Amino acid sequence: GAGVSQTPSNKVTEKGKYVELRCDPISGHTALYWYRQSLGQGPEFLIYFQGTGAADDSGLPNDRFFAVRPEGSVSTLKIQRTERGDSAVYLCASSFLSRGGELFFGEGSRLTVL
Amino acid sequence: QKEVEQDPGPLSVPEGAIVSLNCTYSNSAFQYFMWYRQYSRKGPELLMYTYSSGNKEDGRFTAQVDKSSKYISLFIRDSQPSDSATYLCAMIETSGSRLTFGEGTQLTVNP
Repeated sequence: GAGVSQTPSNKVTEKGKYVELRCDPISGHTALYWYRQSLGQGPEFLIYFQGTGAADDSGLPNDRFFAVRPEGSVSTLKIQRTERGDSAVYLCASSFLSRGGELFFGEGSRLTVL
Repeated sequence: QKEVEQDPGPLSVPEGAIVSLNCTYSNSAFQYFMWYRQYSRKGPELLMYTYSSGNKEDGRFTAQVDKSSKYISLFIRDSQPSDSATYLCAMIETSGSRLTFGEGTQLTVNP
């Protein structure tokens, strides 16, 4: 497809488990972003990749959260020892430009931690 | 205090009404201003993109930015039921890498 693809679309897990969320950006987009959106709230920035490197990870809430983008395309957001407060929709976006460009969002991965 | 404040609504209007959505912000370094539309269980999609102060029109949509007041608006003319969605304002600094979003306003346009 031509858009940003995120898998899984829904993930239900138990407290304490490990979770991986995958994002496949639009081909040719060098910038990739992860945001988290809680119910009734706007998206909150987590991390930004330019190419393979994390250019800004200041939005990651704690060291249980980690993201990688080893080949500069697909990215994986990893959450260790999940907590109920991690329940949210995790949105991925990509952009052709690294600054000020339009962000194209995927439909999100809805994470529920029981 | 949040960097970006947006009335969450909900806002309900009849078809054909003019809708006004607004955000205020506190960070004077914001230079790019955007409005995103988000349908239920979908990702946000960009509606309008403006740089610094001024107006921008695109069909039934008009975006206004008043940097002196730190206030941005989105106007929707001749609103349609298909406009029913959550509208998110977002903004970014010139050298910034992250969008800062408002919490979104939920709009319903009734036929």
